[in-house]
Amino acid sequence: DAKTTQPPSMDCAEGRAANLPCNHSTISGNEYVYWYRQIHSQGPQYIIHGLKNNETNEMASLIITEDRKSSTLILPHATLRDTAVYYCIVRVGDDKIIFGKGTRLHILP
Amino acid sequence: NAGVTQTPKFRILKIGQSMTLQCTQDMNHNYMYWYRQDPGMGLKLIYYSVGAGITDKGEVPNGYNVSRSTTEDFPLRLELAAPSQTSVYFCASSTPLGQANSPLHFGNGTRLTVT
Repeated sequence: DAKTTQPPSMDCAEGRAANLPCNHSTISGNEYVYWYRQIHSQGPQYIIHGLKNNETNEMASLIITEDRKSSTLILPHATLRDTAVYYCIVRVGDDKIIFGKGTRLHILP
Repeated sequence: NAGVTQTPKFRILKIGQSMTLQCTQDMNHNYMYWYRQDPGMGLKLIYYSVGAGITDKGEVPNGYNVSRSTTEDFPLRLELAAPSQTSVYFCASSTPLGQANSPLHFGNGTRLTVT
């Protein structure tokens, strides 16, 4: 089973920040948190990942709580093109990478 | 680099037929994966491989077989197609965790219908 839980769907107004939560309460010390998104029926696309510290790249920011039991993906200025299913996964060295059901993000014009 | 290439893009099979879904990557990644995605659902791991000659079962391996004779190729074999195998199949590759960012790179998928 997936080690993460996410809300099934969320709405966000265009131009606003989209904050997508992920719970990974059983995460172990050497597991990374990765975020991907899937637009329509395309292959999932990597967004960002982190271990302990908050991370930022050109696509998004990742905020990981101090206890590492949850994280939030932030899309700072959501556009219609950000409408997608967003997956949060944890990855450890055995590399049996399991996806959960993800969050379907709707960007509202 | 072409990345991860899957063929065919679409296929219709009759019940009981067999086929091989091809996946090749040109990034010299050690790790390769096969996922299936049913309509409106998330991705389910079928099989994965951490290097040539090594394969392991994922969440839903029944009805499928894989082989990994080279680093580049990771074909998925369906021996006796069943309607329950109607799905979109995605292949992905990655470096081992800890090398660079180690993200999964996905192919564009193979849409399979079994009737």
